[in-house]
Amino acid sequence: GAGVSQSPSNKVTEKGKDVELRCDPISGHTALYWYRQSLGQGLEFLIYFQGNSAPDKSGLPSDRFSAERTGGSVSTLTIQRTQQEDSAVYLCASSSPQLSPEAFFGQGTRLTVV
Amino acid sequence: AQSVTQLDSQVPVFEEAPVELRCNYSSSVSVYLFWYVQYPNQGLQLLLKYLSGSTLVKGINGFEAEFNKSQTSFHLRKPSVHISDTAEYFCAVKRNTGGFKTIFGAGTRLFVKA
Repeated sequence: GAGVSQSPSNKVTEKGKDVELRCDPISGHTALYWYRQSLGQGLEFLIYFQGNSAPDKSGLPSDRFSAERTGGSVSTLTIQRTQQEDSAVYLCASSSPQLSPEAFFGQGTRLTVV
Repeated sequence: AQSVTQLDSQVPVFEEAPVELRCNYSSSVSVYLFWYVQYPNQGLQLLLKYLSGSTLVKGINGFEAEFNKSQTSFHLRKPSVHISDTAEYFCAVKRNTGGFKTIFGAGTRLFVKA
């Protein structure tokens, strides 16, 4: 597609439920990032995929968080047993390091845990 | 490892006044530098980037930034701001060799007053 697409745009879930957030990167982009932005806060790095390399998971806050990227394209961020502190906007970005290093962002998924 | 410090969390300024948003970075290797803008309820978009060459970089919406290697700074400036410039601004750094993630600062909220 023309840009990074994230779905859903909004998600309300009950505490303790699992959620899946989806990211469709720009076609051909080999790098994909997930960030979390809590209310009034900056960008918290979560995970980074680059081509076929092992992902950089150093930002995942707990083992309830996981992400995968299938076929080098679509990525899913999964949060298990959601907690209220997981409420935030989850941003996905992609880039093509071979062409230009800047990241292109999606509009984000606003997650609310009630 | 790289890190980014944005020295001001909030910057209030009157319309048509000049503004400078400060950014300092830390890195033992050469880096690319970026400024992104986030308007309310939107994703991030690239304002400008420094890859190499001229240290003065011009971006969209009349913004510019100057790379100062000796001071490890990349401050963002605009000579005359508009109400529409009210947004969150993020400075970011990335190693200039492939396969590494982009690191973001905590953000500076620019508030332009009439």
